[in-house]
Amino acid sequence: SAVISQKPSRDICQRGTSLTIQCQVDSQVTMMFWYRQQPGQSLTLIATANQGSEATYESGFVIDKFPISRPNLTFSTLTVSNMSPEDSSIYLCSAKGGPNNIQYFGAGTRLSVL
Amino acid sequence: DQQVKQNSPSLSVQEGRISILNCDYTNSMFDYFLWYKKYPAEGPTFLISISSIKDKNEDGRFTVFLNKSAKHLSLHIVPSQPGDSAVYFCAASVPEYGNKLVFGAGTILRVKS
Repeated sequence: SAVISQKPSRDICQRGTSLTIQCQVDSQVTMMFWYRQQPGQSLTLIATANQGSEATYESGFVIDKFPISRPNLTFSTLTVSNMSPEDSSIYLCSAKGGPNNIQYFGAGTRLSVL
Repeated sequence: DQQVKQNSPSLSVQEGRISILNCDYTNSMFDYFLWYKKYPAEGPTFLISISSIKDKNEDGRFTVFLNKSAKHLSLHIVPSQPGDSAVYFCAASVPEYGNKLVFGAGTILRVKS
């Protein structure tokens, strides 16, 4: 299994500002993902972070709002841009490294936007 | 379109008894199913999985059953323990989606001592 460290663990931000969340995996992985869990809801995939190229975004998510970087096989960042209260959620980093389809998750970043 | 459904938002079980969590899916192309457990303020933790070519997988107190004809899977926890109290998510993947996971809404399990 992969150990995934995510920071910050929580933050309270002002409307209109941006926050960058960092994700570090303890081993080289093939795929990294970013999810959002809104209050009382399930996990929704935001995008697949591709190493050295632009992320692949899911329907409803755009690069201008959620720019993602993945400079190497073990590190990725997600930025939540121009935040509004609707962006208040838990943001989760995930990684998949083996031949099976098991994804491992970080502890998440709990974001509150005032 | 919610392709993975967990129709029971919560379940309460007495310690020592069996917990059965259910999950239904609509996409017949799903080839791999997983269960995750999530405690408050933590990320989801992988629990157990099953390939679509199998109908049962067991790991200690946890057993997952897959009924492909009914597009239904279930997670059995026997015996249930208070530490099992958490949110349980069912997830499914399909190769044509790049093995991305589609999650159900989750079921809150409370095990009473």
